[in-house]
Amino acid sequence: GENVEQHPSTLSVQEGDSAVIKCTYSDSASNYFPWYKQELGKRPQLIIDIRSNVGEKKDQRIAVTLNKTAKHFSLHITETQPEDSAVYFCAASNGYWGTYKYIFGTGTRLKVLA
Amino acid sequence: NAGVTQTPKFQVLKTGQSMTLQCAQDMNHNSMYWYRQDPGMGLRLIYYSASEGTTDKGEVPNGYNVSRLNKREFSLRLESAAPSQTSVYFCASSEALTTGTQYFGPGTRLTVL
Repeated sequence: GENVEQHPSTLSVQEGDSAVIKCTYSDSASNYFPWYKQELGKRPQLIIDIRSNVGEKKDQRIAVTLNKTAKHFSLHITETQPEDSAVYFCAASNGYWGTYKYIFGTGTRLKVLA
Repeated sequence: NAGVTQTPKFQVLKTGQSMTLQCAQDMNHNSMYWYRQDPGMGLRLIYYSASEGTTDKGEVPNGYNVSRLNKREFSLRLESAAPSQTSVYFCASSEALTTGTQYFGPGTRLTVL
């Protein structure tokens, strides 16, 4: 079945450094790739997303890149701050079923050290 | 505009008991979803409803049933709870036909003893 692999499972960076989280998907029909941030005890919240007709998207300190050929997509956070500490989830989906059913990665716990 | 709401926030059950988790959205979304979240396993889809009147199984449907009561509400029922169903349950919704973004509710933390 469809699968999304996410690496690393944990990531520690110094404040101000960059962080990169990578995901690989198996379903070549996937056309929508959201990233969610989940703080402890809270709900997942969308931070950025990208569609398959775009190679890169940026929103202030965060960016996402997509390589459809390799079926890879990555989240880049620059100038990390302590409030970036959270668990980040990638997902892949398409609208084939009449709805955007997500397959999530297993998450990356990011710790930003002050 | 409350977004996606879930009740209850916390629940403790004994093995074999039943309960229903409630979810409602006020964004006029077509699609709704139920996930469970376990440590180290991310979010796994239990059931989803592409539109009012339809429901389909996700990755881990065993032990659960759902009802799409109307466009706003989507409930998840545990008929005979088991300790393996101890988890955090999230409901989500999306407009679906034109955009895939899913918006999540605050979650229900369920413990089965």
